[in-house]
Amino acid sequence: EDQVTQSPEALRLQEGESSSLNCSYTVSGLRGLFWYRQDPGKGPEFLFTLYSAGEEKEKERLKATLTKKESFLHITAPKPEDSATYLCAVQARSEYGQNFVFGPGTRLSVLP
Amino acid sequence: DGGITQSPKYLFRKEGQNVTLSCEQNLNHDAMYWYRQDPGQGLRLIYYSQIVNDFQKGDIAEGYSVSREKKESFPLTVTSAQKNPTAFYLCASSYSGSAGTEAFFGQGTRLTVV
Repeated sequence: EDQVTQSPEALRLQEGESSSLNCSYTVSGLRGLFWYRQDPGKGPEFLFTLYSAGEEKEKERLKATLTKKESFLHITAPKPEDSATYLCAVQARSEYGQNFVFGPGTRLSVLP
Repeated sequence: DGGITQSPKYLFRKEGQNVTLSCEQNLNHDAMYWYRQDPGQGLRLIYYSQIVNDFQKGDIAEGYSVSREKKESFPLTVTSAQKNPTAFYLCASSYSGSAGTEAFFGQGTRLTVV
């Protein structure tokens, strides 16, 4: 069974305090690993797609990396506006095509 | 502008009623999905559709029904058989293909039982 776990469940940082979020996955036939940001009461906003181990993607203060079993979302010098829930998802092959399996998310709070 | 539109944003259901949530996309995506999100939990797949007139049950399909008569539209009906329908519902769409392609989400519908 395809599974995605994320840690920590919640993270509080001071502005400027860098840290990393973890996404661990077990999946057969990985097609891609995705990171999303979700603000309260809104739909998830796409951030990154990673396809193979060793791949890295960057966007502003965020950098996503991928190994064969996990992905990390590194946040460098975060600002209060980075506060959100960060979701990790994998896309897997299935008998009927493809679907996405999401982790429970990490709630990030960045304090000024 | 291309995107996914969900309506209504808020919906109230009385006991025993069926209600339908709308999802429309103009991204020319083949695949569409419905997810349910409860506080403190991840997104759980209700139904997904890869092509018109075909759809598959997800992990929590009981008490829900869908149709896919047009490529752009994937409405979700929450039936009276769904005993705990209060939740945040998210619709998404993506391209289909051999390589992974990201899903794009609507802004969600919050359903409350009154």
